[in-house]
Amino acid sequence: DGGITQSPKYLFRKEGQNVTLSCEQNLNHDAMYWYRQDPGQGLRLIYYSQIVNDFQKGDIAEGYSVSREKKESFPLTVTSAQKNPTAFYLCASNKRTGNAEAFFGQGTRLTVV
Amino acid sequence: DAKTTQPTSMDCAEGRAANLPCNHSTISGNEYVYWYRQIHSQGPQYIIHGLKNNETNEMASLIITEDRKSSTLILPHATLRDTAVYYCIVRVANAGGTSYGKLTFGQGTILTVHP
Repeated sequence: DGGITQSPKYLFRKEGQNVTLSCEQNLNHDAMYWYRQDPGQGLRLIYYSQIVNDFQKGDIAEGYSVSREKKESFPLTVTSAQKNPTAFYLCASNKRTGNAEAFFGQGTRLTVV
Repeated sequence: DAKTTQPTSMDCAEGRAANLPCNHSTISGNEYVYWYRQIHSQGPQYIIHGLKNNETNEMASLIITEDRKSSTLILPHATLRDTAVYYCIVRVANAGGTSYGKLTFGQGTILTVHP
């Protein structure tokens, strides 16, 4: 079945360590997105990519990095420069044309201790 | 992208219609209105979208005012499983509506459906 997969579902890391969150889609979507969600809050856009080998900063990109070497994959690295990395992270993808309905993964809950 | 304003929370009785308003008074001619919902700790789910005409699908109806400055999402027969946060988003598209910009979420409306 086609879909978008985030792994792992729960992730624990020590403060000061970089950590990479995985996002893979087999929907042949051009655009991919990373969002952060804090308790009781809406989704905030971290980075997005409209095509392979290109990406743009969202509203809260500081302390994060991404790559888009393949159409199917858009990994997010939470660096030690991110002051408050504990959050729920969501990845999404959509076609750039037509309906452009965005599909979301089930999220990764990152806890930094 | 234009910003949206939604009520923080709403209640609805099971079986009744839920009408969720959204204000997007600064919407541009090339921006579409999208609705998503998020059930606790899951990824958001697409519901419906439209440009200027009213739209209906198996989940909901979308009513957009003639001046496009506001819209209403209608869940015709709300169930307990419709309890979620509902997000109204405006999203830029090119003139032909064939390609789209980024998807930016606001705070949304917490809809609680009670028995």
